[in-house]
Amino acid sequence: DAGITQSPRYKITETGRQVTLMCHQTWSHSYMFWYRQDLGHGLRLIYYSAAADITDKGEVPDGYVVSRSKTENFPLTLESATRSQTSVYFCASKGQGVNTEAFFGQGTRLTVV
Amino acid sequence: GNSVTQMEGPVTLSEEAFLTINCTYTATGYPSLFWYVQYPGEGLQLLLKATKADDKGSNKGFEATYRKETTSFHLEKGSVQVSDSAVYFCALSDKGGGGNKLTFGTGTQLKVEL
Repeated sequence: DAGITQSPRYKITETGRQVTLMCHQTWSHSYMFWYRQDLGHGLRLIYYSAAADITDKGEVPDGYVVSRSKTENFPLTLESATRSQTSVYFCASKGQGVNTEAFFGQGTRLTVV
Repeated sequence: GNSVTQMEGPVTLSEEAFLTINCTYTATGYPSLFWYVQYPGEGLQLLLKATKADDKGSNKGFEATYRKETTSFHLEKGSVQVSDSAVYFCALSDKGGGGNKLTFGTGTQLKVEL
């Protein structure tokens, strides 16, 4: 199916564990993004990627790692999860040009206990 | 840096009432402006956009006009429905910025009651 998918939809993990959230898009969009959504903060950019093998930090990158070996995939890894990383994570993709629409996945609700 | 400020929510309205959600922005260049909507349990989806000053974006009865002089992009709808209940995000994409990044406001929750 065409679109952008995230997995898992829900995840509970323990403090200190490594967790990887997956994101896959089928449009071959150049740009991909990871946001976290927290009450009172809206969406904050964690990392983004302009193309395969090109990534850059966003507003809140600490504690996260990304990679993009293929255009269609953009996994987000929490190297050692902390309770403050409990959040809803959204992946998005968009094509070239500042006027183009960003498409969002359905989100991953992560709870760190 | 770029920033977007939205009115605090939640906004609670009766069906058929008029809706305004205020949005103002700060940007270094001349940004494109967007409104995204998030229905419960879902990701964000584009509602409307405007790419230059005085442009009006519209969709599903919602409208917003890009006002460069007041750096605003207020969302309006003449008659809301229960199905419009969602969280609305104002966002900008700066032509001068790198990466085509979107900067979002904090979101405004709208509740429409019968």
